Amino acid sequence: SQTIHQWPATLVQPVGSPLSLECTVEGTSNPNLYWYRQAAGRGLQLLFYSVGIGQISSEVPQNLSASRPQDRQFILSSKKLLLSDSGFYLCAWKDRTYEQYFGPGTRLTVT
Amino acid sequence: AQRVTQPEKLLSVFKGAPVELKCNYSYSGSPELFWYVQYSRQRLQLLLRHISRESIKGFTADLNKGETSFHLKKPFAQEEDSAMYYCALSAFSGSARQLTFGSGTQLTVLP
Repeated sequence: SQTIHQWPATLVQPVGSPLSLECTVEGTSNPNLYWYRQAAGRGLQLLFYSVGIGQISSEVPQNLSASRPQDRQFILSSKKLLLSDSGFYLCAWKDRTYEQYFGPGTRLTVT
Repeated sequence: AQRVTQPEKLLSVFKGAPVELKCNYSYSGSPELFWYVQYSRQRLQLLLRHISRESIKGFTADLNKGETSFHLKKPFAQEEDSAMYYCALSAFSGSARQLTFGSGTQLTVLP
């Protein structure tokens, strides 16, 4: 069966510090991978998606970046965090159907 | 571009009462619509999809192309239905099929 992991679960970082959130998927190959941000009252915002290794598409211009160094690994990064980067970050994968499967999420607080 | 609107941020009903969570969409193509649910301290997960025309946990949703709506309904709400509900539309954007989410409705079923 397929599983998706995210870490860390929670993170508190000061403004201007770097960020690295990791997402890994098991039990499937060549999935589409997605990063979302869930902000209170704003629903889920798609940040990045990837259809393969090294292939990243950005949906929202910002100071975040994403990378996919391996088939089942998706990383969300920032060189310098802003207060507005606080939120709940969700990773998801999709197989050949329409359904997306979500990870447990990372709660990021920028102070 | 596609858009999904959930007009109610918060909705409270009493146990045993009918519940309807509203969802409207705008999309120029043929829509694929979903309802996702997030129970307290659980992952975001798929509740139902319109193409399967199924009833999950007593919930149903009918796609009305004339009104561009996909409202989620349940005739008798239960306390365990309390959760955050997201309506989502699947459409191709760039090289991958993506989900566009509404802002979500927090449903509270009162005893």
